[in-house]
Amino acid sequence: NAGVTQTPKFQVLKTGQSMTLQCAQDMNHNSMYWYRQDPGMGLRLIYYSASEGTTDKGEVPNGYNVSRLNKREFSLRLESAAPSQTSVYFCASSDYLMTGRGEKLFFGSGTQLSVL
Amino acid sequence: SQQGEEDPQALSIQEGENATMNCSYKTSINNLQWYRQNSGRGLVHLILIRSNEREKHSGRLRVTLDTSKKSSSLLITASRAADTASYFCAPQTSYDKVIFGPGTSLSVIP
Repeated sequence: NAGVTQTPKFQVLKTGQSMTLQCAQDMNHNSMYWYRQDPGMGLRLIYYSASEGTTDKGEVPNGYNVSRLNKREFSLRLESAAPSQTSVYFCASSDYLMTGRGEKLFFGSGTQLSVL
Repeated sequence: SQQGEEDPQALSIQEGENATMNCSYKTSINNLQWYRQNSGRGLVHLILIRSNEREKHSGRLRVTLDTSKKSSSLLITASRAADTASYFCAPQTSYDKVIFGPGTSLSVIP
């Protein structure tokens, strides 16, 4: 049982390049999230998906797009990477909306992205 | 959406001492969760307390919730070097996205 799997673990991009961060969960969760964490700071929500087929903006969505491909997978795309997007990216999933009572988030191990 | 604010920002204690960190929030909540993050890793869920609960225990962790003061505290008793990490609270309202505060960085000195 892998939980939440993120790929790649590390990536270096040049300014203007594009890439997609992949996330998959095997817990049959409805909700999935993408966060970024800059050094010494907390997590900031980029986008989330409450259920398959829906996505919504978080705190810092500019410069990113997401796709909820199916219930398992939620990808994050940087169309034209900028140095300000250098960060560690975390994907998470939960069953929050299914129960409506609050469920814990399960996190992936993160993707360390550097944009030169 | 709802963001918690942890206090203090940083805390340094000796091994064996207790560590207390606090979380304040602004509006009514459905539940509040605490997470731990070891350096460079994803967050790990510690404990969830619902709005109708006042106190909850899990091993060496004790969480309290005071909805009248809109605050929560996390107590780690008999701390160990392995407790060194950042701790985040996440207050939640129904059908809400999960937003984290800046966290408390705890250092436990052997």
